[in-house]
Amino acid sequence: DIVMTQSPDSLTVSLGERATINCKSSQSVLYSSNNKNYLAWYQQKAGQPPKLLIHWASTRESGVPDRFSGSGSGTDFTLTISSLQAEDVAVYYCHQYYNTPRTFGQGTKVEI
Amino acid sequence: EVQLVESGGGLVQPGGSLRLSCVASGFTFGTSWMTWVRQAPGKGLEWVANIKEDGGEIYYVDSVKGRFTISRDNAKNSLFLQMNSLRAEDTAVYYCARGVYAFDIWGQGTMVTVSS
Repeated sequence: DIVMTQSPDSLTVSLGERATINCKSSQSVLYSSNNKNYLAWYQQKAGQPPKLLIHWASTRESGVPDRFSGSGSGTDFTLTISSLQAEDVAVYYCHQYYNTPRTFGQGTKVEI
Repeated sequence: EVQLVESGGGLVQPGGSLRLSCVASGFTFGTSWMTWVRQAPGKGLEWVANIKEDGGEIYYVDSVKGRFTISRDNAKNSLFLQMNSLRAEDTAVYYCARGVYAFDIWGQGTMVTVSS
Protein backbone atom coordinates (compact mmCIF):
# COMPACT_ATOMS: atom_id res chain seq x y z
CA ASP A 1 0.00 0.00 0.00
CA ILE A 2 1.14 3.55 -0.66
CA VAL A 3 1.53 5.44 2.61
CA MET A 4 0.73 9.15 2.49
CA THR A 5 2.38 11.30 5.15
CA GLN A 6 1.37 14.91 5.67
CA SER A 7 3.24 17.61 7.51
CA PRO A 8 2.62 19.37 9.73
CA ASP A 9 -0.25 17.73 11.64
CA SER A 10 -1.56 21.17 12.53
CA LEU A 11 -0.88 24.71 11.43
CA THR A 12 -1.84 28.09 12.86
CA VAL A 13 -1.75 30.95 10.38
CA SER A 14 -2.79 34.59 10.63
CA LEU A 15 -5.56 35.92 8.41
CA GLY A 16 -4.15 36.91 5.04
CA GLU A 17 -0.97 34.92 5.49
CA ARG A 18 0.21 31.91 3.51
CA ALA A 19 -0.45 28.33 4.62
CA THR A 20 1.62 25.47 3.24
CA ILE A 21 0.83 21.79 3.71
CA ASN A 22 3.15 19.03 2.56
CA CYS A 23 2.33 15.50 1.50
CA LYS A 24 4.83 12.74 0.83
CA SER A 25 3.99 9.38 -0.71
CA SER A 26 5.94 6.20 0.02
CA GLN A 27 6.27 5.58 -3.71
CA SER A 28 5.87 7.70 -6.79
CA VAL A 29 2.32 8.48 -7.90
CA LEU A 30 3.50 9.82 -11.25
CA TYR A 31 2.26 7.64 -14.09
CA SER A 32 4.97 7.84 -16.75
CA SER A 33 2.76 6.98 -19.73
CA ASN A 34 0.68 10.16 -19.36
CA ASN A 35 2.96 12.23 -17.10
CA LYS A 36 0.14 12.72 -14.59
CA ASN A 37 0.43 12.68 -10.83
CA TYR A 38 -2.44 10.69 -9.32
CA LEU A 39 -2.85 12.97 -6.32
CA ALA A 40 -5.78 14.99 -4.95
CA TRP A 41 -6.38 17.40 -2.07
CA TYR A 42 -9.59 17.70 -0.05
CA GLN A 43 -10.87 20.17 2.50
CA GLN A 44 -13.09 18.98 5.34
CA LYS A 45 -14.81 21.51 7.56
CA ALA A 46 -16.22 20.47 10.93
CA GLY A 47 -19.34 18.33 10.58
CA GLN A 48 -19.17 18.27 6.79
CA PRO A 49 -18.05 15.75 4.18
CA PRO A 50 -14.76 16.32 2.39
CA LYS A 51 -14.70 18.66 -0.58
CA LEU A 52 -12.43 18.13 -3.56
CA LEU A 53 -10.07 21.08 -4.05
CA ILE A 54 -7.29 19.87 -6.35
CA HIS A 55 -6.83 16.82 -8.58
CA TRP A 56 -3.99 15.63 -10.79
CA ALA A 57 -1.79 17.35 -8.17
CA SER A 58 -2.32 20.86 -9.52
CA THR A 59 -5.71 21.15 -11.29
CA ARG A 60 -8.12 23.24 -9.28
CA GLU A 61 -11.67 21.90 -9.13
CA SER A 62 -14.34 24.14 -10.62
CA GLY A 63 -15.47 26.80 -8.16
CA VAL A 64 -12.46 26.50 -5.86
CA PRO A 65 -10.93 29.92 -5.11
CA ASP A 66 -7.61 30.60 -6.81
CA ARG A 67 -5.91 31.17 -3.47
CA PHE A 68 -5.71 27.36 -3.32
CA SER A 69 -2.94 25.82 -5.42
CA GLY A 70 -1.28 22.44 -5.65
CA SER A 71 2.23 21.60 -6.75
CA GLY A 72 4.78 18.82 -6.74
CA SER A 73 5.50 15.61 -8.58
CA GLY A 74 6.54 12.04 -7.95
CA THR A 75 6.51 11.64 -4.19
CA ASP A 76 6.44 15.20 -2.84
CA PHE A 77 3.45 17.50 -3.03
CA THR A 78 2.30 20.79 -1.55
CA LEU A 79 -1.04 22.48 -1.03
CA THR A 80 -0.72 26.24 -0.65
CA ILE A 81 -3.36 28.68 0.54
CA SER A 82 -1.91 32.00 -0.57
CA SER A 83 -3.93 34.28 1.71
CA LEU A 84 -5.77 32.48 4.48
CA GLN A 85 -9.41 33.42 5.01
CA ALA A 86 -11.57 32.64 8.03
CA GLU A 87 -13.61 30.16 5.98
CA ASP A 88 -10.47 28.12 5.24
CA VAL A 89 -10.36 26.74 8.79
CA ALA A 90 -10.58 22.99 8.15
CA VAL A 91 -8.69 19.74 7.98
CA TYR A 92 -6.94 19.10 4.67
CA TYR A 93 -6.18 15.65 3.26
CA CYS A 94 -4.03 14.46 0.40
CA HIS A 95 -5.13 11.32 -1.45
CA GLN A 96 -3.40 9.05 -3.93
CA TYR A 97 -5.35 7.28 -6.64
CA TYR A 98 -2.34 5.79 -8.38
CA ASN A 99 -3.23 2.31 -7.20
CA THR A 100 -5.56 0.28 -4.98
CA PRO A 101 -6.12 0.56 -2.10
CA ARG A 102 -6.62 4.29 -2.44
CA THR A 103 -5.01 5.95 0.56
CA PHE A 104 -5.19 9.29 2.31
CA GLY A 105 -2.79 11.30 4.40
CA GLN A 106 -3.57 11.61 8.10
CA GLY A 107 -4.82 15.17 7.67
CA THR A 108 -3.54 18.64 8.54
CA LYS A 109 -5.64 20.90 10.72
CA VAL A 110 -5.48 24.57 9.74
CA GLU A 111 -6.47 27.18 12.31
CA ILE A 112 -6.40 30.95 12.53
CA GLU B 1 -28.87 19.54 -8.03
CA VAL B 2 -26.04 17.05 -7.91
CA GLN B 3 -26.51 15.00 -4.77
CA LEU B 4 -25.69 11.78 -2.96
CA VAL B 5 -27.81 10.75 0.02
CA GLU B 6 -26.77 7.89 2.28
CA SER B 7 -29.00 5.95 4.65
CA GLY B 8 -29.05 2.73 6.62
CA GLY B 9 -26.63 3.51 9.42
CA GLY B 10 -27.32 2.81 13.06
CA LEU B 11 -26.29 0.91 16.16
CA VAL B 12 -25.47 -2.77 15.72
CA GLN B 13 -23.90 -5.38 17.96
CA PRO B 14 -20.53 -6.92 17.14
CA GLY B 15 -21.02 -9.71 14.63
CA GLY B 16 -24.16 -8.12 13.25
CA SER B 17 -25.03 -6.80 9.80
CA LEU B 18 -26.15 -3.57 8.19
CA ARG B 19 -26.91 -2.53 4.64
CA LEU B 20 -26.07 1.02 3.63
CA SER B 21 -27.68 2.73 0.66
CA CYS B 22 -26.72 5.78 -1.34
CA VAL B 23 -29.11 7.39 -3.81
CA ALA B 24 -27.72 9.63 -6.52
CA SER B 25 -29.38 12.50 -8.34
CA GLY B 26 -28.37 15.27 -10.70
CA PHE B 27 -25.80 13.32 -12.69
CA THR B 28 -25.59 10.17 -14.81
CA PHE B 29 -25.11 7.54 -12.13
CA GLY B 30 -24.84 4.67 -14.58
CA THR B 31 -21.66 6.05 -16.17
CA SER B 32 -19.86 6.75 -12.88
CA TRP B 33 -17.52 4.68 -10.77
CA MET B 34 -18.69 4.86 -7.18
CA THR B 35 -16.81 4.59 -3.91
CA TRP B 36 -17.38 4.14 -0.19
CA VAL B 37 -15.08 6.02 2.21
CA ARG B 38 -15.33 5.88 6.00
CA GLN B 39 -14.16 8.06 8.84
CA ALA B 40 -13.89 6.79 12.40
CA PRO B 41 -14.81 9.34 15.09
CA GLY B 42 -12.10 11.98 15.31
CA LYS B 43 -9.94 10.16 12.75
CA GLY B 44 -8.95 10.51 9.11
CA LEU B 45 -10.42 9.18 5.90
CA GLU B 46 -10.22 5.53 4.86
CA TRP B 47 -11.16 4.23 1.41
CA VAL B 48 -13.36 1.13 1.77
CA ALA B 49 -14.43 -0.08 -1.69
CA ASN B 50 -15.28 0.97 -5.19
CA ILE B 51 -17.30 -0.38 -8.09
CA LYS B 52 -17.16 0.21 -11.83
CA GLU B 53 -20.08 1.68 -13.79
CA ASP B 54 -21.43 -1.72 -14.78
CA GLY B 55 -20.40 -3.53 -11.61
CA GLY B 56 -17.81 -5.48 -13.57
CA GLU B 57 -14.88 -4.41 -11.39
CA ILE B 58 -14.95 -4.25 -7.61
CA TYR B 59 -12.16 -3.55 -5.14
CA TYR B 60 -11.96 -3.57 -1.33
CA VAL B 61 -9.55 -2.52 1.37
CA ASP B 62 -8.06 -5.63 2.98
CA SER B 63 -9.71 -5.02 6.36
CA VAL B 64 -13.22 -5.52 4.94
CA LYS B 65 -12.60 -8.23 2.35
CA GLY B 66 -14.91 -11.18 2.89
CA ARG B 67 -17.18 -9.18 5.20
CA PHE B 68 -18.41 -6.23 3.09
CA THR B 69 -20.02 -6.32 -0.35
CA ILE B 70 -20.42 -3.28 -2.58
CA SER B 71 -23.12 -3.36 -5.25
CA ARG B 72 -25.23 -1.01 -7.34
CA ASP B 73 -28.57 -0.76 -9.11
CA ASN B 74 -28.21 1.65 -12.00
CA ALA B 75 -31.94 1.57 -12.74
CA LYS B 76 -32.54 3.01 -9.28
CA ASN B 77 -29.46 5.28 -9.19
CA SER B 78 -28.42 3.47 -6.06
CA LEU B 79 -25.21 2.23 -4.47
CA PHE B 80 -25.12 -0.25 -1.61
CA LEU B 81 -22.73 -1.57 1.01
CA GLN B 82 -23.69 -4.82 2.71
CA MET B 83 -21.69 -5.08 5.92
CA ASN B 84 -21.54 -8.43 7.75
CA SER B 85 -19.56 -9.67 10.75
CA LEU B 86 -19.24 -6.11 11.98
CA ARG B 87 -16.51 -5.22 14.44
CA ALA B 88 -15.99 -2.33 16.83
CA GLU B 89 -13.31 -0.97 14.51
CA ASP B 90 -15.92 -0.58 11.73
CA THR B 91 -17.54 2.23 13.75
CA ALA B 92 -17.41 5.27 11.48
CA VAL B 93 -19.29 7.70 9.30
CA TYR B 94 -19.66 6.06 5.91
CA TYR B 95 -19.63 8.33 2.87
CA CYS B 96 -20.48 7.44 -0.68
CA ALA B 97 -18.60 9.39 -3.30
CA ARG B 98 -18.41 9.59 -7.07
CA GLY B 99 -15.25 8.70 -8.89
CA VAL B 100 -12.50 6.16 -9.33
CA TYR B 101 -9.73 8.74 -9.26
CA ALA B 102 -10.44 11.94 -7.32
CA PHE B 103 -13.82 11.93 -5.60
CA ASP B 104 -15.71 14.99 -6.76
CA ILE B 105 -19.14 14.44 -5.19
CA TRP B 106 -19.70 13.29 -1.61
CA GLY B 107 -22.78 12.50 0.41
CA GLN B 108 -23.33 13.77 3.93
CA GLY B 109 -22.56 10.37 5.37
CA THR B 110 -24.34 7.84 7.58
CA MET B 111 -23.09 6.83 11.02
CA VAL B 112 -22.46 3.19 11.85
CA THR B 113 -21.82 2.29 15.48
CA VAL B 114 -20.77 -1.24 16.39
CA SER B 115 -21.15 -1.76 20.11
CA SER B 116 -22.74 -4.12 22.61
